[in-house]
Amino acid sequence: DTAVSQTPKYLVTQMGNDKSIKCEQNLGHDTMYWYKQDSKKFLKIMFSYNNKELIINETVPNRFSPKSPDKAHLNLHINSLELGDSAVYFCASSLVGSYNEQFFGPGTRLTVL
Amino acid sequence: AQTVTQSQPEMSVQEAETVTLSCTYDTSESDYYLFWYKQPPSRQMILVIRQEAYKQQNATENRFSVNFQKAAKSFSLKISDSQLGDAAMYFCARIDQGAQKLVFGQGTRLTINP
Repeated sequence: DTAVSQTPKYLVTQMGNDKSIKCEQNLGHDTMYWYKQDSKKFLKIMFSYNNKELIINETVPNRFSPKSPDKAHLNLHINSLELGDSAVYFCASSLVGSYNEQFFGPGTRLTVL
Repeated sequence: AQTVTQSQPEMSVQEAETVTLSCTYDTSESDYYLFWYKQPPSRQMILVIRQEAYKQQNATENRFSVNFQKAAKSFSLKISDSQLGDAAMYFCARIDQGAQKLVFGQGTRLTINP
């Protein structure tokens, strides 16, 4: 009965590889997000999708490509991984509207070697 | 840049005592929401409390309450009767009307001393 789930929880890979992180929510929400938490714990929005449509792209490098096959899923694909991509990536979801609570997934810790 | 600032990187408190975490923010919007999120070592982000900017009454959730000073753009979190399970990173965040992104502060690491 997990509300927002992410797979995998941990991802260790070599520089230059391509990897994907999957996110699914079963809350019936129509808006989903990707946030990045860096090594200093700072959290910042990357992308936001509403009903499969990209709403926010916060000047993220083109190597990052989100994909939303339906409103319950938002995946994140990263090409040509770099050392600086090492971080924890959080998926979140909410009902449409700025003031609705965003529910977060457990996070995916990505380590690029 | 419209920012959220938490000036206390770390705080500690004795169990059962009260602690206040500070947060200030900068926005040109008149309508927005403010949040406190808790991140325990499990990494899960948990909403603690939220405040609507147009409401003057401070929000309260059990042992957690806020002191919202709109003119000063200040939004502090008070934790009463601190418990060991309150130990975590606490993040202040803001979301503006019409926006869909949370803007977070840098976080405050709270330690509870038994």
